[in-house]
Amino acid sequence: SYELTQPPSVSVSPGQTATITCSGDKLGDKYACWYQQKPGQSPVLVIYKDSKRPSGIPERFSGSNSGNTATLTISGTQAMDEADYYCQAWDSSNVVFGGGTKLTVL
Amino acid sequence: QLQLQESGPGLVKPSETLSLTCTVSGGSISSSSYYWGWIRQPPGKGLEWIGSIYYSGSTFYNPSLKSRVTMSVDTSKNQFSLKLSSLTAADTAVYYCARQDYSSSGSNFFDYWGQGTLVTVSS
Repeated sequence: SYELTQPPSVSVSPGQTATITCSGDKLGDKYACWYQQKPGQSPVLVIYKDSKRPSGIPERFSGSNSGNTATLTISGTQAMDEADYYCQAWDSSNVVFGGGTKLTVL
Repeated sequence: QLQLQESGPGLVKPSETLSLTCTVSGGSISSSSYYWGWIRQPPGKGLEWIGSIYYSGSTFYNPSLKSRVTMSVDTSKNQFSLKLSSLTAADTAVYYCARQDYSSSGSNFFDYWGQGTLVTVSS
């Protein structure tokens, strides 16, 4: 079965750029999306189709996908961006989630 | 604004079958290009896709759960449902329903989510 691998944790200082990766075999041939989940809340879609932002998502969130890696980039990270982030793709008629990355802003 | 709301028991006994319903408001479950999915999250762990259903009844199920999962849709009530059988403690989780934007090009993502409902499997 298809697997997506994320680093368990990433730390970033306020105002700096956070980069979260998601790796999978030939992931660049598929579409990737990203969700943000804060404690006690439902996930929120922040990036879809590799790099598109839903309405209401700040411009500091961006995405890319090439080769075996999709990347979520948060520019000018704010304290409110501290959360768990999950990548997701579609493979062989299955939804696949990455294991999640805890982003700490300190 | 589309809203989804899960409903069902918060406590279920081992070996029994869990039944959950998701009610969609602010939009039609019969909209084309959308599947309707169930996702769960064990306490302190990550997201796991359970399955998705189209308004016509067409389904996709997670292979690891397929033998225990049945999904159905009731377009007259704008609802879709999940049944998960032979429950164990490992099925304890927050269960979410969500709208899945589906494309044959391979772009699939969940753009609207319910608030989630905690289901505990315990005797």
